Amino acid sequence: GIQVEQSPPDLILQEGANSTLRCNFSDSVNNLQWFHQNPWGQLINLFYIPSGTKQNGRLSATTVATERYSLLYISSSQTTDSGVYFCAVAATDSWGKLQFGAGTQVVVTP
Amino acid sequence: GAGVSQSPSNKVTEKGKDVELRCDPISGHTALYWYRQSLGQGLEFLIYFQGNSAPDKSGLPSDRFSAERTGGSVSTLTIQRTQQEDSAVYLCASSDRGGTEAFFGQGTRLTVV
Repeated sequence: GIQVEQSPPDLILQEGANSTLRCNFSDSVNNLQWFHQNPWGQLINLFYIPSGTKQNGRLSATTVATERYSLLYISSSQTTDSGVYFCAVAATDSWGKLQFGAGTQVVVTP
Repeated sequence: GAGVSQSPSNKVTEKGKDVELRCDPISGHTALYWYRQSLGQGLEFLIYFQGNSAPDKSGLPSDRFSAERTGGSVSTLTIQRTQQEDSAVYLCASSDRGGTEAFFGQGTRLTVV
């Protein structure tokens, strides 16, 4: 099956800093999503981005499908950005099955 | 409803008992997914429904696990003869069709004692 690797595994930021999270995947995809799992365990949709670039407030994401990676940018980080960020993909030959990466644990300190 | 709804939120059961977990997808969504998240771990795919059919059930860990979906809406995940290693958060998601944006419920935390 498709492999999904996220980096870095952990990230500690001071409030106000910018950061980039990366997601590499091993096969062609027709679905790529970024999620934020908050401390209560809820998965919050950030982006549905199988290709291209999107922005939502302080967050933006870029997926280069031909090179099999996606980037999530967090600008001017806030303590509420803390949590685990997951990348999930569905391969084109298995489009019903979202495969999750291991996540990046982000801690934003005041 | 407005979002994916799962019940119960928490379930504590004795080892060996059967449990049923319920998922109400977003209205009109034809695709439904079950995932499991063990403590401090990532999300493990269990099964995917398109309508009432399950084209991919490759993630079900053993024959103690089964799932069904009726009327193209509500789904039930059943775990028979629960074991301690079944303790996890079980998450359900839905999308308007396979391959499109999936939305997750709040999960059911299952504890087997």
